[in-house]
Amino acid sequence: DIVMTQSPDSLAVSLGERATINCKSSQSLLCRADKKNYLGWYQQKPGQPPKLLIAWASIRESGVPDRFSGSGSGTDFTLTISSLQAEDVAVYYCQQHCSNPFTFGGGTKVEIK
Amino acid sequence: EVQLAESGGGLVQPGGSLRLSCIASGFTFSGYWMAWVRQTPGKGLEWVATISPDGSGQYYVDSVEGRFTISRDNAKYSLYLQINNLRAEDTALYYCAREKWSLFDYWGQGTMVTVSS
Repeated sequence: DIVMTQSPDSLAVSLGERATINCKSSQSLLCRADKKNYLGWYQQKPGQPPKLLIAWASIRESGVPDRFSGSGSGTDFTLTISSLQAEDVAVYYCQQHCSNPFTFGGGTKVEIK
Repeated sequence: EVQLAESGGGLVQPGGSLRLSCIASGFTFSGYWMAWVRQTPGKGLEWVATISPDGSGQYYVDSVEGRFTISRDNAKYSLYLQINNLRAEDTALYYCAREKWSLFDYWGQGTMVTVSS
């Protein structure tokens, strides 16, 4: 199974500042001939289900604000919130969709400093 | 608007069974892979099972293989999860989710399963 490791477990960022979340996979997520990274990012607010933010490591879903960006390749990935807003307080998860079983990182809780 | 609504959770004794249901609306259900994903405070998010659009293919995480069965009724826009021989570690919030390239682009609100004597 591919193990997904996120860091940090939590971070507190001032409003308007940058938040950076890391995700590392135990195997390369460049797992097909299409040269795509099979990595997604989700946001989960309290009492709500997860929401898909980013697919293929860097492609924002429709309606996702452009302050959210994904980067990285192979085994190391980053989710960046360029200017933290109050509504961004949530837990963020990465997920690999390279191979069954599809596995998630442990989550990173983002709070306001 | 895509909507997914789960039901069927509850408190059950170890070794017991439950059938979870999910009713979908707002999209052509028969055109999509569908999945169950569960969440616990301790283990976080865990993919449980996936079913192909026509129901012919089912895939499971190893820990539930042989105990859980995913199925669907496309005419009823419904997804099901039959869970047998429940264990304490199956206690979780179970989400129904629509799949897109093995990511999960829409989720229901979840139904809680608690396994306890």
